[in-house]
Amino acid sequence: KNQVEQSPQSLIILEGKNCTLQCNYTVSPFSNLRWYKQDTGRGPVSLTIMTFSENTKSNGRYTATLDADTKQSSLHITASQLSDSASYICVVSATDDYKLSFGAGTTVTVRA
Amino acid sequence: DAGVTQSPTHLIKTRGQQVTLRCSPISGHKSVSWYQQVLGQGPQFIFQYYEKEERGRGNFPDRFSARQFPNYSSELNVNALLLGDSALYLCASSPDNYYGYTFGSGTRLTVV
Repeated sequence: KNQVEQSPQSLIILEGKNCTLQCNYTVSPFSNLRWYKQDTGRGPVSLTIMTFSENTKSNGRYTATLDADTKQSSLHITASQLSDSASYICVVSATDDYKLSFGAGTTVTVRA
Repeated sequence: DAGVTQSPTHLIKTRGQQVTLRCSPISGHKSVSWYQQVLGQGPQFIFQYYEKEERGRGNFPDRFSARQFPNYSSELNVNALLLGDSALYLCASSPDNYYGYTFGSGTRLTVV
């Protein structure tokens, strides 16, 4: 069964600090992995998308890594801002399945 | 270029009523998927349509139905609404079945 697990479930950080979110998956055969940011009550917004051959991708202060061998990904947020407060969702696609596999998300709260 | 457009953004219905949610994909995207996201949880797959054909259905009762039109827009219908149907309904479009899903902002349905 394709599964995606994220950790931690939630975290609180001070403005200006860095944090790293984790995503472990068992989706196979692997197609791509995306990190989305979702503000409360809004649709998810894509931050990064990585295929099998990519191991790092950045989008501003967001940097995602992928280790396809260990089936792990991380999302690093640098110099956090109050606007980074949101849920971050890891989504994995399989090449033979149209359904996306969603993690439960990590809720990030940035405090001044 | 417009993103994925969903309408309405919010609506309130009473138990037993029927509701129709609408989604306009990004121009050129032929695949539309529908997801239900209950507060505090990750999105759950409902349907996927590609080239106007249903390609997949999630574990939802027959009260849920959908269709895709020749212009690739889509409607999600829910009959005999239950309180548990209250959720954020997300539409996502993609140029194909697997890559680069873009989500709309969602429709917040409240059943009272």
